[in-house]
Amino acid sequence: EVHLVESGGGLVQPGGSLRLSCAASGFTFSSYEMNWVRQAPGKGLDWVSHISTSGVTRSYADSVKGRFTISRDNAKNFLYLQMNSLRAEDTAVYYCARGFGNFAYWGQGILVTVSS
Amino acid sequence: QSVLTQPPSVSGAPGQRVTMSCTGSSSNTGSYDVHWYQQLPGTAPKLLIYGDRNRPSGVPARFSGSKSGTSASLAITGLQAEDEAYYYCQSYDSSLSGWVFGGGTKLTVL
Repeated sequence: EVHLVESGGGLVQPGGSLRLSCAASGFTFSSYEMNWVRQAPGKGLDWVSHISTSGVTRSYADSVKGRFTISRDNAKNFLYLQMNSLRAEDTAVYYCARGFGNFAYWGQGILVTVSS
Repeated sequence: QSVLTQPPSVSGAPGQRVTMSCTGSSSNTGSYDVHWYQQLPGTAPKLLIYGDRNRPSGVPARFSGSKSGTSASLAITGLQAEDEAYYYCQSYDSSLSGWVFGGGTKLTVL
């Protein structure tokens, strides 16, 4: 069974940094493209970033470009999101999601709150 | 302001059929597949329809998707109380070089 479990969220001050992790199990992690999607409180879904199977190809939403970095460790079956220069508008539940095109599997999400 | 436009809400009585729309443009829904997700309160989204009209295993046949031009639709027949949720459409946008979602439609079962 596919399992995606996010961790690393919490409260951070504006301008601060946070690294999210997503532990993958139940499938061959290195064979699947991965994504981060976020959802601000009471709002809709917002795609954040995508990474190819090898990690060579990465893409970002304009709202996070230059501040967030997606990466993966295929040996450890982990997906990461390094978030720098955080802003209040980055406050959201962050989900890791498997797939390219459609996102067939999602983690349970982790809350990131940016506030002083 | 979402790139894909969905009605904020739809409603129907148990047993009825409801549809909801997702309208985009030539740079997204007009050129790429549309996918639909169901999000129950307090849970992660679940893939409901992929590739415009395909259901993942385990999704009841009551859910169906279609697309014409730049507009896609999700239909639910035999409405049940447990269908009450938010529904989001998603596609790829070549102008933005990324994936985009609709703002979501809240389905209320009367």
